[in-house]
Amino acid sequence: AQSVAQPEDQVNVAEGNPLTVKCTYSVSGNPYLFWYVQYPNRGLQFLLKYITGDNLVKGSYGFEAEFNKSQTSFHLKKPSALVSDSALYFCAVRGSGTYKYIFGTGTRLKVLA
Amino acid sequence: DAGVTQSPTHLIKTRGQQVTLRCSPKSGHDTVSWYQQALGQGPQFIFQYYEEEERQRGNFPDRFSGHQFPNYSSELNVNALLLGDSALYLCASSSLAGLHIQETQYFGPGTRLLVL
Repeated sequence: AQSVAQPEDQVNVAEGNPLTVKCTYSVSGNPYLFWYVQYPNRGLQFLLKYITGDNLVKGSYGFEAEFNKSQTSFHLKKPSALVSDSALYFCAVRGSGTYKYIFGTGTRLKVLA
Repeated sequence: DAGVTQSPTHLIKTRGQQVTLRCSPKSGHDTVSWYQQALGQGPQFIFQYYEEEERQRGNFPDRFSGHQFPNYSSELNVNALLLGDSALYLCASSSLAGLHIQETQYFGPGTRLLVL
């Protein structure tokens, strides 16, 4: 069965510091991995995805994520956090042979000025 | 270029009633998926429609049904509403573009349903 774990409910980081939001997954076959961000009372906004190729994926707003097959992880990173990055972040996985995305429970990122 | 749109934005119903939510996909997209996001949770997959047929379904009861129209828009219907159906309902659209591994789902703003 497919699953996604986001082990941290909340991550606090000072503005200007690097940030990491963790995600691990379990899926049979090749994983297709995604990060989305959700602002209050809004839908999910696509940030980036890993399908195949380079393990470091670059996305919107300066975010990037590193795919690590041996650790089954897909952590979201940004070199320098902004207060405006404060939001709820979701990791999702889709296994081969299925169309549904499985989402984690989300990590609330709080960037402190 | 309009993104995914959903209507209504908010809805209040009472237990036992029926509700219909609507979704228009992003221009150029032919596939619509529906998700339920309960408070404090990640979205849960309800089902996906492609070529006007339900292609895959999540673990939701038959009270949840859907439809896709020839213009690719979609409806989600929920019958016999329960208090536990209160949630944000998200529609996502995507395009197969011949290679489904390239598919990315783009989400609408959601419809917040409150069942009293």
